[in-house]
Amino acid sequence: EAGVAQSPRYKIIEKRQSVAFWCNPISGHATLYWYQQILGQGPKLLIQFQNNGVVDDSQLPKDRFSAERLKGVDSTLKIQPAKLEDSAVYLCASSLQGSEKLFFGSGTQLSVL
Amino acid sequence: QKEVEQNSGPLSVPEGAIASLNCTYSDRGSQSFFWYRQYSGKSPELIMFIYSNGDKEDGRFTAQLNKASQYVSLLIRDSQPSDSATYLCAVVTSGTYKYIFGTGTRLKVLA
Repeated sequence: EAGVAQSPRYKIIEKRQSVAFWCNPISGHATLYWYQQILGQGPKLLIQFQNNGVVDDSQLPKDRFSAERLKGVDSTLKIQPAKLEDSAVYLCASSLQGSEKLFFGSGTQLSVL
Repeated sequence: QKEVEQNSGPLSVPEGAIASLNCTYSDRGSQSFFWYRQYSGKSPELIMFIYSNGDKEDGRFTAQLNKASQYVSLLIRDSQPSDSATYLCAVVTSGTYKYIFGTGTRLKVLA
């Protein structure tokens, strides 16, 4: 069974530039999550999708971050414009229906210079 | 008040000892509780989940849940140097079913 796929693995950009991350969850998983993990901290939930609907995006900085999940399958997370404090690992995870085990991708390490 | 709280550590224990990791949560209606392990530079991986009050054992790991006190813990028996990692507590909240993580506790097992 294929795992959660994420790309790119690493990204370096200058502040005020834009960047996009892609995630393909495990086939059949209805729930998809984007987390931001700053070094030394726990994962912070940015947005949670159930199929192609948003369950929670209360901690997504909507003035600069956007996310979509087309057709309830893969998802993109975009930052525009990036700030220095956006430097973090962005983790995508999926689960069958929610409220159970999460399967994580390898993450995208973003450095904003 | 944070939704899920953990002591960031580091918690240092000698090899062979019992490591005790603790977590508190704010949403009294939460029903699902998880412990993930995260090695440096890697993604989190699930090691235990618990839904009911009491203890749940799996090999060297025991999860304990006390919903009245809004407290969940993880015990690691016979700790090994390979257990050195950050342990993340996660809670699924009631209502919107948000999957929230704590800040993690860094565990060091000394050989």
